[in-house]
Amino acid sequence: DAGITQSPRYKITETGRQVTLMCHQTWSHSYMFWYRQDLGHGLRLIYYSAAADITDKGEVPDGYVVSRSKTENFPLTLESATRSQTSVYFCASSQTGTAENIQYFGAGTRLSVL
Amino acid sequence: QKEVEQDPGPLSVPEGAIVSLNCTYSNSAFQYFMWYRQYSRKGPELLMYTYSSGNKEDGRFTAQVDKSSKYISLFIRDSQPSDSATYLCAMTENNDYKLSFGAGTTVTVRA
Repeated sequence: DAGITQSPRYKITETGRQVTLMCHQTWSHSYMFWYRQDLGHGLRLIYYSAAADITDKGEVPDGYVVSRSKTENFPLTLESATRSQTSVYFCASSQTGTAENIQYFGAGTRLSVL
Repeated sequence: QKEVEQDPGPLSVPEGAIVSLNCTYSNSAFQYFMWYRQYSRKGPELLMYTYSSGNKEDGRFTAQVDKSSKYISLFIRDSQPSDSATYLCAMTENNDYKLSFGAGTTVTVRA
């Protein structure tokens, strides 16, 4: 039972490069989310997806692109990485049909942009 | 002003002490209240959730919600070094996809 997995766990890149963070879940959850976590800001929602081919912006979407061609995958792309995008990124998923919207998180990707 | 306020701490307590954590919020439409625990370099994991006002107990953990005051609490009894983590509160409206998170409180339990 793999649950939700993120890759890579650690990534170092340079400013201006394109970076893709991967997220895969095995529960067939409809909703998937990308967050970034920074000191003093907690978890901030970047993008979310309600189902395959349905995505929408969260609180801090600028500089990020997402896609969701399959229910189980939700990659996050930084098209031209900037130092301000140095952060820990978490993917999460939740099941529809439940009022409480409990989200389950991956282990995170620690990204450094030099 | 943030929708959910949580004192980031840090909080350091001796083993066996009671840990008290809390969050305040401004959105009166919130109905579900959650506590996530996050160990260092790990993802958040759900610890407890509560619907509307009231208390919920699970072992050494007790969650309380006071909707009239827009205030939620988490108590950890007989704290253990293994409870050392960051605790994040989260809340949502009924059938809403979005969770609103507090900034998290870092707790250290000293052996």
